Amino acid sequence: RKEVEQDPGPFNVPEGATVAFNCTYSNSASQSFFWYRQDCRKEPKLLMSVYSSGNEDGRFTAQLNRASQYISLLIRDSKLSDSATYLCVVSPTGGFKTIFGAGTRLFVKA
Amino acid sequence: EAQVTQNPRYLITVTGKKLTVTCSQNMNHEYMSWYRQDPGLGLRQIYYSMNVEVTDKGDVPEGYKVSRKEKRNFPLILESPSPNQTSLYFCASGKTTQYFGPGTRLLVL
Repeated sequence: RKEVEQDPGPFNVPEGATVAFNCTYSNSASQSFFWYRQDCRKEPKLLMSVYSSGNEDGRFTAQLNRASQYISLLIRDSKLSDSATYLCVVSPTGGFKTIFGAGTRLFVKA
Repeated sequence: EAQVTQNPRYLITVTGKKLTVTCSQNMNHEYMSWYRQDPGLGLRQIYYSMNVEVTDKGDVPEGYKVSRKEKRNFPLILESPSPNQTSLYFCASGKTTQYFGPGTRLLVL
């Protein structure tokens, strides 16, 4: 089993739709969680960190469920510019390793 | 401007010919890391460095070496490249938020 798993998609949604991605992780001791965005084989960029209490940044909401060991990303009112690959990232407790999921591809169509 | 630079951006080489990919950051970060990205596998960590002269293996270190003699630089060395090291390589700087370089596309024939 992979340490971090994501549905690869692709998710094809119309503009204005709400779309949600999930990511599961296997190490219950994991401490830090993030969502990164990657455009067309360019470098990944931090989208948002994920906190236990959940957090929101504009149209984006991230949540963490430690009991079920998954994190989620919700995108509301999708824009064409949201088309990208979304990477789930997990860091173990006190560790320096970083583990990336393989990514979920999103296409937003007009 | 906060920046991570990598060179070269593109490289075609032959099996066994030693090569070095350079990485430099201007953010005074202690933590730096190297990843490779392959279709369907996502980014996999090759090596990371917690500070000058302190490095450790990631998930896929075989066939790679690194050094960290200065805080700003973290080169990736392939002593004897093989075709299975054909990949897209990213250097990253920072721990909580990782800032990535633009990537190096490597083809080993």
